[in-house]
Amino acid sequence: DVKVTQSSRYLVKRTGEKVFLECVQDMDHENMFWYRQDPGLGLRLIYFSYDVKMKEKGDIPEGYSVSREKKERFSLILESASTNQTSMYLCASSGGGDNYEQYFGPGTRLTVT
Amino acid sequence: GQNIDQPTEMTATEGAIVQINCTYQTSGFNGLFWYQQHAGEAPTFLSYNVLDGLEEKGRFSSFLSRSKGYSYLLLKELQMKDSASYLCAVNQGGKLIFGQGTELSVKP
Repeated sequence: DVKVTQSSRYLVKRTGEKVFLECVQDMDHENMFWYRQDPGLGLRLIYFSYDVKMKEKGDIPEGYSVSREKKERFSLILESASTNQTSMYLCASSGGGDNYEQYFGPGTRLTVT
Repeated sequence: GQNIDQPTEMTATEGAIVQINCTYQTSGFNGLFWYQQHAGEAPTFLSYNVLDGLEEKGRFSSFLSRSKGYSYLLLKELQMKDSASYLCAVNQGGKLIFGQGTELSVKP
């Protein structure tokens, strides 16, 4: 059974703080993804990674960075949190090759005040 | 540009059949996913269509027409637990582009 875990379910941070969101998957998946989900906008891709040390920008990378030092772990970093980054953040992983199904973590609801 | 459209909300009655439509215009296409997401939970996989036609899986079926840029998810014998958001997503070589989701409410 694929398991994707995220470090926090709820997080409250202040404007300007540096924020780390951690994601770990236990199925040796090649690909990992970070999305944010907002009402009326659906899931939007922030960054993704096809391999360790590799990263690609998604559709809305501004204000975010990522790190993938180990295959199982993909971190999303908000260098200086702003109120418009208040959102639900979802991490996902997939196996690569023709296995495109993405498995999602439970999400982190981040509030920036 | 990339455009994926789904109705925002739908309401149906327990025991009935409901069809959720998804139309897409994208620069690349390798297949189409449907995910289910209950409030406060992670999306979970329902179906994946690569070729045209209908794929049936229990009470849920998914249809794809690549020439029309169109898919639908059909839910039969609706149950209260089917109340959820249904997400349509186009696969572009492993990268998924999601629609805004359709919030389905099942009433008794």
